[in-house]
Amino acid sequence: GENVEQHPSTLSVQEGDSAVIKCTYSDSASNYFPWYKQELGKRPQLIIDIRSNVGEKKDQRIAVTLNKTAKHFSLHITETQPEDSAVYFCAVTGNQFYFGTGTSLTVIP
Amino acid sequence: EAGVAQSPRYKIIEKRQSVAFWCNPISGHATLYWYQQILGQGPKLLIQFQNNGVVDDSQLPKDRFSAERLKGVDSTLKIQPAKLEDSAVYLCASSLEVGFSYEQYFGPGTRLTVT
Repeated sequence: GENVEQHPSTLSVQEGDSAVIKCTYSDSASNYFPWYKQELGKRPQLIIDIRSNVGEKKDQRIAVTLNKTAKHFSLHITETQPEDSAVYFCAVTGNQFYFGTGTSLTVIP
Repeated sequence: EAGVAQSPRYKIIEKRQSVAFWCNPISGHATLYWYQQILGQGPKLLIQFQNNGVVDDSQLPKDRFSAERLKGVDSTLKIQPAKLEDSAVYLCASSLEVGFSYEQYFGPGTRLTVT
């Protein structure tokens, strides 16, 4: 099956700085790469996604980049705010659906 | 638009007992998923339904877990008998389209504690 690795597992940044989270995968047939944000005790919510025919996608302060050759994709959050503090999960889909192990992001005011 | 509903929100049982969870997806959503999320880990897909048929249950421990989707709408997930390692949050999700490459909408989850 798919092997999804997510790094780092924890990340602390000062408010206003940028945060980057990276995921790697193994199955070259994977074609859809969403990112979910999960606040403590709440449900995961999609924040951005990218398909395999696109290299980069941006939505305000959030962007995702995909390198299909190297089989990795990254979440970029700019101008971080305290409300960005949460656990972020990448996911990889093709014939199956796999979540990464999660990154706990803390934005320090 | 109403979201994905799940019940109960919390359940505490003893090992070897049985438990059932219920999920009502967003109206019109063809695909329904059940996930197990152990504390500190990402959700793990247990089973995926397309309408009322099973698409993928490769990670469902079939010796103790079962699931059904009644008339292609509501779904129940059952554990019988429960083990300590089943303690987790069970998340239900639905998506409008068939397949994995579409946004999934998650319910609030059922937190199961097995003692």
